[in-house]
Amino acid sequence: DADVTQTPRNRITKTGKRIMLECSQTKGHDRMYWYRQDPGLGLRLIYYSFDVKDINKGEISDGYSVSRQAQAKFSLSLESAIPNQTALYFCATSDGGQGSRRYGYTFGSGTRLTVV
Amino acid sequence: AQTVTQSQPEMSVQEAETVTLSCTYDTSESNYYLFWYKQPPSRQMILVIRQEAYKQQNATENRFSVNFQKAAKSFSLKISDSQLGDTAMYFCAFGAGNQFYFGTGTSLTVIP
Repeated sequence: DADVTQTPRNRITKTGKRIMLECSQTKGHDRMYWYRQDPGLGLRLIYYSFDVKDINKGEISDGYSVSRQAQAKFSLSLESAIPNQTALYFCATSDGGQGSRRYGYTFGSGTRLTVV
Repeated sequence: AQTVTQSQPEMSVQEAETVTLSCTYDTSESNYYLFWYKQPPSRQMILVIRQEAYKQQNATENRFSVNFQKAAKSFSLKISDSQLGDTAMYFCAFGAGNQFYFGTGTSLTVIP
């Protein structure tokens, strides 16, 4: 099994629908992140969490919410999806403290979301 | 502000040749780490190589090496003996504070 699992792998949804993307990890990492990838824009941080009670906004959090249900689970919700939220979404994890910068992220395999 | 710039959106290289991907960054942090990630068509993000900013020696991983110029804030990736499997999007990133910052990516195509 993958260290970081994202579900679903692909999803098509309609404008205005609520959708949840899920992420679970077996790395035992404290830190979890949600990024979106758009062509020409790279990866941009949506939300991040350093433990179950710690949730922080990233640079593009508008229109998104998150829930850290357990150390191993971090879900991303789009309350009312819109077409410009069509993107590839990545969940990532890292060790805490110095380790988070030293060893980089472990990524999930991404969720391709299309909003029509 | 922390920024990462990859000025080459697309590059190509002949199989078995050498190619260098450029990356510059800007940070006021003194302690940070630099990374190159590869994203093949499978879209999985794969760590290629990492560099600790306090180390002067350039990192090497098999056919992949970096040219790290700290004063110039430059961190280029050299791929030697390019292979068809190297065809991918490559992202430069650095970790400082509590976050990682990514460039916009360079799409590399290896031509048979």
